[in-house]
Amino acid sequence: QKEVEQDPGPLSVPEGAIVSLNCTYSNSAFQYFMWYRQYSRKGPELLMYTYSSGNKEDGRFTAQVDKSSKYISLFIRDSQPSDSATYLCAMSARAGNMLTFGGGTRLMVKP
Amino acid sequence: GAVVSQHPSWVICKSGTSVKIECRSLDFQATTMFWYRQFPKQSLMLMATSNEGSKATYEQGVEKDKFLINHASLTLSTLTVTSAHPEDSSFYICSARDSITGGGYTFGSGTRLTVV
Repeated sequence: QKEVEQDPGPLSVPEGAIVSLNCTYSNSAFQYFMWYRQYSRKGPELLMYTYSSGNKEDGRFTAQVDKSSKYISLFIRDSQPSDSATYLCAMSARAGNMLTFGGGTRLMVKP
Repeated sequence: GAVVSQHPSWVICKSGTSVKIECRSLDFQATTMFWYRQFPKQSLMLMATSNEGSKATYEQGVEKDKFLINHASLTLSTLTVTSAHPEDSSFYICSARDSITGGGYTFGSGTRLTVV
């Protein structure tokens, strides 16, 4: 079993839909959680960075962390075709430590 | 926000030659940088941790003599693929984190290496 599990998709939604992306993990030591967006043949772009449990909102993006369930989510409101990409969750036990990545979820937003 | 510049963005080289990839943190200092390799439609695979002023730490299965890492300053790390072979063809990506302010890791734009 992988340390971080993420549904590979693809997830196809119509433009304007609310997208929910999720990861589960097994290591209870993880405290720092990140979401990255990666377009084809590009490096990952940091979308959200959170520490411990709770919610964080930035524009159309909301990140949720539930450490008791070892479950994190990224919500995208009013999804746009330009949001079509692969979304990677990543986490670490300490700030500055190496990241453990999920396998990525491919999202397609259709006009 | 933090910017990591990676160069070159793509390179084609002949089998047996060496290729150097640079990773620079443009507006912050990074005592640690990470090097990843990514195959098509797969997630990132950590190759090594680059530490400023000291030897890099390699992940299991990564040949340190083949993938030479140098982190000579707080803003620059280099990965040299020595005696490249076609199986080394891949997408290489570096990442760095601001050592002073913290926060998430910023990734470079990646380098697509093709060995012919």
